[in-house]
Amino acid sequence: KAGVTQTPRYLIKTRGQQVTLSCSPISGHRSVSWYQQTPGQGLQFLFEYFSETQRNKGNFPGRFSGRQFSNSRSEMNVSTLELGDSALYLCASSLEGAYNSPLHFGNGTRLTVT
Amino acid sequence: AQKITQTQPGMFVQEKEAVTLDCTYDTSDQSYGLFWYKQPSSGEMIFLIYQGSYDEQNATEGRYSLNFQKARKSANLVISASQLGDSAMYFCAMREGYGQNFVFGPGTRLSVLP
Repeated sequence: KAGVTQTPRYLIKTRGQQVTLSCSPISGHRSVSWYQQTPGQGLQFLFEYFSETQRNKGNFPGRFSGRQFSNSRSEMNVSTLELGDSALYLCASSLEGAYNSPLHFGNGTRLTVT
Repeated sequence: AQKITQTQPGMFVQEKEAVTLDCTYDTSDQSYGLFWYKQPSSGEMIFLIYQGSYDEQNATEGRYSLNFQKARKSANLVISASQLGDSAMYFCAMREGYGQNFVFGPGTRLSVLP
């Protein structure tokens, strides 16, 4: 079974631009979560989508948004990029929302904002 | 209040020795899962081991075992016979109930010395 696929792996953007990151979950997984990881803040939860609906949301400004398509693929968008948005963005999928369902992560997208 | 605490920012272990990485958690839910993830310098998050709140036996996966002490709310990861490739960040995480997002600890950086 193919793992979680994130594209692109690396991205360099300029302050003020917007960016879209893509995530394809493991086949059959309906839940997709997004995390931001920075050296200073650690791993921070952005949001989770389940069956095309946002089920959980972290404490991020409205510039961060996402969506999930009917095939469970998900995209994350960041508008009006700031230098502080430079981070590793990790996508993870899980079979469903039960407490015993682990997250399976992609390799991440490393975003650099200049 | 922090839901997941990892008190060891960094640990060193000699190759072939065993090492214990500490994790304590806070929850009032009866149903929850505890997870450990490994993150090498390349960035991907690798799922290692899972322990459910109702599991009476400690979980084991190859060289990884989870020392689960429910009354003390601790879920320590034990790595036996450490290898150089075990050098990485290790994250403890918890998921409560159904449909709740994962909560991650700050991580422990393990360095295996030859």
